[in-house]
Formats: sequence, C-alpha cells, structure tokens
Amino acid sequence: EVQLVESGGGLVKPGGSLRLSCAASGFTFSSYSMKWVRQAPGKGLEGVSSISGSSSYIYYADSVKGRFTISRDNAKNSLYLQMNSLRAEDTAVYYCARVTYYYDSSGYYYPLDYWGQGTLVTVSS
Amino acid sequence: IQLTQSPSSLSASVGDRVTMTCRASQGISSYLAWYQQKPGKAPKLLIYAASTLQSGVPSRFSGSGSGTDFTLTISSLQPEDFATYYCQQLSSYPYTFGQGTKLEIK
Repeated sequence: EVQLVESGGGLVKPGGSLRLSCAASGFTFSSYSMKWVRQAPGKGLEGVSSISGSSSYIYYADSVKGRFTISRDNAKNSLYLQMNSLRAEDTAVYYCARVTYYYDSSGYYYPLDYWGQGTLVTVSS
Repeated sequence: IQLTQSPSSLSASVGDRVTMTCRASQGISSYLAWYQQKPGKAPKLLIYAASTLQSGVPSRFSGSGSGTDFTLTISSLQPEDFATYYCQQLSSYPYTFGQGTKLEIK
C-alpha cells in the first residue's frame, strides 16, 4: 500500500525557517517524481515544488523561488522541503504527492495519484 | 495556463446529475485531471487525460472535453460525493490548478 506521511510543520515567526519531511512507503520511491502542493486556509491548491526521481530536474513556483529548497534521499525513501525566509503568505497545509505517469496515443500524462495527509505551516508573529 | 472552474459552488440533492466545467486559457488537448477533496482531507485523483477514470473511482464519475473546455459529470450524486472538485492542466509547466467547485447538499 502506498503511503506518504508528512512531518515538520508548525508555528514559525516571519523570516524563520522550517524543514518539512515526507516519508514514502509501498512503492519504488526512486522511480517517481515527487511534488509539494500547498493549500492556504480556505483557498485552492498551489504547486510549490517538484523533483524528479534522480533529482536531475527541479521546479519551483515563482512565489517560493530562492527561499525554498526541495530535495530527496532515495536511500531513506524521503522527500524534503527546506523553507527559509518564511512569510505570512506561506501559511498553508503542505502536501507531498507522488507524480505518476500514464501514456496513450496523445502522449504522457503526469497527474498526482497519491497524497499525504498534509502538515500545517503557520507563519505568524 | 489559467484554469477557470464554474460554478464556484453548486447545490444539489442525492440522486441528481451534476455537471461542472473547467476552461483553460489556451488549448491543452486532453491534458487535464480532476481531483476530489473532502474537508480536512488530501485531494484524490478521479480522472486524468480528461476522460480516463482512475482505478477504483466509481463509474458515476465521468469527464469529457478537449482543447479549452472540459466537464466533470456525476451521474447520480451519492452522499459521499459532496466535496470540492479541482481541475489541473497537465499540458505545460507549471501544472496549474483551477480554483475549485464546491458541491454542497441542497
């Protein structure tokens, strides 16, 4: 059974740092890209960052570029998000999600097929 | 690519047929996914490639569309279907989400 379990959220002051972790099990972790998606209270979903299985390809949303760093340790089946210079607008539930892939005659599709339960990050003084 | 979902909220009764739409700001072929999110829970993948049902998703859910206009239809609403539904384009990075359609009990 695929499981993703996030940890590391909490209350932090503006300008502070936090490191989120996502422990994966039930699948070959290194074979999949992974993504962090966040959801501000009462708001919609926002893709934050993603990383390929070998860490060769990394993406950041403009809203976090230069402040957040995504990484993974395939030996530990773990995904991380280092968040620095946190702002009030970073307050959200952060989900890690597995990027799966499907192929048909039109090409490849990369939806998010498994999600963790989320960890809440609150940035407030 | 911007995705606009309509309506933003929808009231319906158990047994109703419900349709919601997702419009892309430019053509995305069939590179669209739909997710269901219940309060306090993570999103769940329902449909990808605009119309392909994810394994384990009930057949009362269906998706259609191509290019810029897409629909998610629930043929006969069940109590567990009341949730917020998000579309996501899978055509070009960043793979943006729509703002959601909240399906409420009438």
